[in-house]
Amino acid sequence: DAGVIQSPRHEVTEMGQEVTLRCKPISGHDYLFWYRQTMMRGLELLIYFNNNVPIDDSGMPEDRFSAKMPNASFSTLKIQPSEPRDSAVYFCASSFGRGGIRDEQFFGPGTRLTVL
Amino acid sequence: QKEVEQNSGPLSVPEGAIASLNCTYSDRGSQSFFWYRQYSGKSPELIMFIYSNGDKEDGRFTAQLNKASQYVSLLIRDSQPSDSATYLCAALYGNNRLAFGKGNQVVVIP
Repeated sequence: DAGVIQSPRHEVTEMGQEVTLRCKPISGHDYLFWYRQTMMRGLELLIYFNNNVPIDDSGMPEDRFSAKMPNASFSTLKIQPSEPRDSAVYFCASSFGRGGIRDEQFFGPGTRLTVL
Repeated sequence: QKEVEQNSGPLSVPEGAIASLNCTYSDRGSQSFFWYRQYSGKSPELIMFIYSNGDKEDGRFTAQLNKASQYVSLLIRDSQPSDSATYLCAALYGNNRLAFGKGNQVVVIP
């Protein structure tokens, strides 16, 4: 398996523009997570899905952020309009979530977003 | 709010020494704990998990869990320059969510 795939790897945009980040989870994984990582706040959970259904979006910072998972193999995180404070590395992760204590999350390579 | 605290600053250790990292967690209901390693510019990768009180060893890594004290630690024996990275502690709680600490940077000096 190729692992979790994210695109683009780097994105530079101007304030006010729409940004769309994409993620393909590992095949067979039931859970998909979107994280944001900054030096100040560390790794923060934004939203996660179980079987394509959003379960908890309480980490989404504001209405400018939205996420979708139209099928088991694809998810998007959209920021509209983008602001400089959104600059961060955004990670997508997936896991089996089939129960049990051990449930490793596998991370994608991340998208480094810079909003000018 | 599920919190995981890693309060130590950057840790510098000479090659071959033991690196010791600690974290505490707030949710007594958490059952599993994970240590992820993250190299600069890369994504986190799992190196250890533990769910029972006591020690768990895997190669040069030992994870320790004390649920009464809500305390998790990671020991890296015979530290190598390739161990230089940031180490993230995470606790698993309801619905397969992980709460991460902010991480501890380890620098192994040759």
